[in-house]
Amino acid sequence: EVQLVESGGGLVQPGGSLRLSCAASGFTFSSYWMTWVRQAPGRGPEWVANIKQDGSEKYYVDSVKGRFTISRDNAKNTLYLQMNSLRAEDTAVYYCARDRTTHDYWGQGSLVTVSS
Amino acid sequence: SYELTQPPSVSVSPGQTARITCSGDALPKKYAYWYQQKSGQAPVLVIYEDSKRPSGIPERFSGSSSGTMATLTISGAQVEDEADYYCYSTDSSGNLWVFGGGTKLTVL
Repeated sequence: EVQLVESGGGLVQPGGSLRLSCAASGFTFSSYWMTWVRQAPGRGPEWVANIKQDGSEKYYVDSVKGRFTISRDNAKNTLYLQMNSLRAEDTAVYYCARDRTTHDYWGQGSLVTVSS
Repeated sequence: SYELTQPPSVSVSPGQTARITCSGDALPKKYAYWYQQKSGQAPVLVIYEDSKRPSGIPERFSGSSSGTMATLTISGAQVEDEADYYCYSTDSSGNLWVFGGGTKLTVL
C-alpha cells in the first residue's frame, strides 16, 4: 500500500525556518518525481515545487524561489522541503504528492502556521 | 504567470449532468488533470491526461479538452459528488504547474 506521511509542521514566527519531511512507502520512491503542494485556509491548492527522481531537476513557484529548497534522500525514501524566511502568507497545509503530473497519492498534510 | 480559469460554482439537481470548464492558453498542447476535494480531505485525482479515469473513479466522471478549454463532465451527478473541483496543468515550458481557482459543485 502506497503511503506518504508528512511531518515537521508547526507554529513559527515570521522570518523563521522549518523543514518538512515526507516519508514514502509502498512504492519504489527513487522511480518517481515528487511534488509539494500547499493549501492556505479557505483557498485552493497551490503547486509549490517538484523534484526529479535523482534530484537533478527542481522547479519552484515564483513566490517561494530563493526561500524554499526541495530535496530528497532516496536511500531513506524521504522527501524534504526546507522553508526559510517564512512569511504569514506561507501559512498553509503542506502536502507531498507522488509524481510530477498525475498526483495519484497524497499525504495527509502538515500544517505550517507563520505568526508572531 | 500562467493561470487556469474556472467558474466559481456550478449547481445541478441529482441525476443531471454537471459540466465544469477550465480555460488556459497552454491547454491546446498540455494535458489537463482534475481533482475532487471534499472538506478537510486531500484532493483526489478523478481525471488525468485530459480524459483518462483512474481506477476506482466512477464511470460518470469523464473529461475532454478542445483548444484552450478542458471540461470535466459528471453524468448523472450524485449528492456525494458535491465537492470542490480543481483543474491542474502546466505552462508552455512544462516546468511550472498551476491549479485553477476551483469550482464548487452543488448537487441538490
